[in-house]
Amino acid sequence: EAGVAQSPRYKIIEKRQSVAFWCNPISGHATLYWYQQILGQGPKLLIQFQNNGVVDDSQLPKDRFSAERLKGVDSTLKIQPAKLEDSAVYLCASSLGQGSNTGELFFGEGSRLTVL
Amino acid sequence: SQKIEQNSEALNIQEGKTATLTCNYTNYSPAYLQWYRQDPGRGPVFLLLIRENEKEKRKERLKVTFDTTLKQSLFHITASQPADSATYLCATASGSARQLTFGSGTQLTVLP
Repeated sequence: EAGVAQSPRYKIIEKRQSVAFWCNPISGHATLYWYQQILGQGPKLLIQFQNNGVVDDSQLPKDRFSAERLKGVDSTLKIQPAKLEDSAVYLCASSLGQGSNTGELFFGEGSRLTVL
Repeated sequence: SQKIEQNSEALNIQEGKTATLTCNYTNYSPAYLQWYRQDPGRGPVFLLLIRENEKEKRKERLKVTFDTTLKQSLFHITASQPADSATYLCATASGSARQLTFGSGTQLTVLP
């Protein structure tokens, strides 16, 4: 079974530039998550989708971050304009949602962003 | 909002010993608590889940306990091996959509 795919793996940009990350979840997984993980910290939820609807985006800095999940499959996270403090690994995860006994999240390898 | 606290310092143990990692949470009791393993440069990998009405869960060399009175979960790795060296993350689920809140993780090193 293919895992969660993310791209790009690495991205370096200047502050005030924009960047987009892409995620393709495991086939059949209804729930998709974007997490931000700053070095030395645990993952912080940015946004959670159930199919193509937003369940929770309370911690998403909406003045600069946006995310969409068209057709309830893959998703894009965009940052515009980027700030130095956005340097982090952006993790995408998916889960079966209500069909899961464990609520297990399957994570991708992450996209490491460096803002100079 | 929920706050998760894990051992902030790295844990070094000798091969063959039992590693014990701590996860404390504030505020409300979560519906369940999960443990994940994260290797450098990789995404977290799910290990175990324990629900609020369960006291203990085992999987091979792993054991998790959940004490809702102390607001604490303990994660044990018995007969530890160097391959167990990684960062271990605790996460609690709450809210109608079971949003996960992660702790900052504990870095474990098992010395040969």
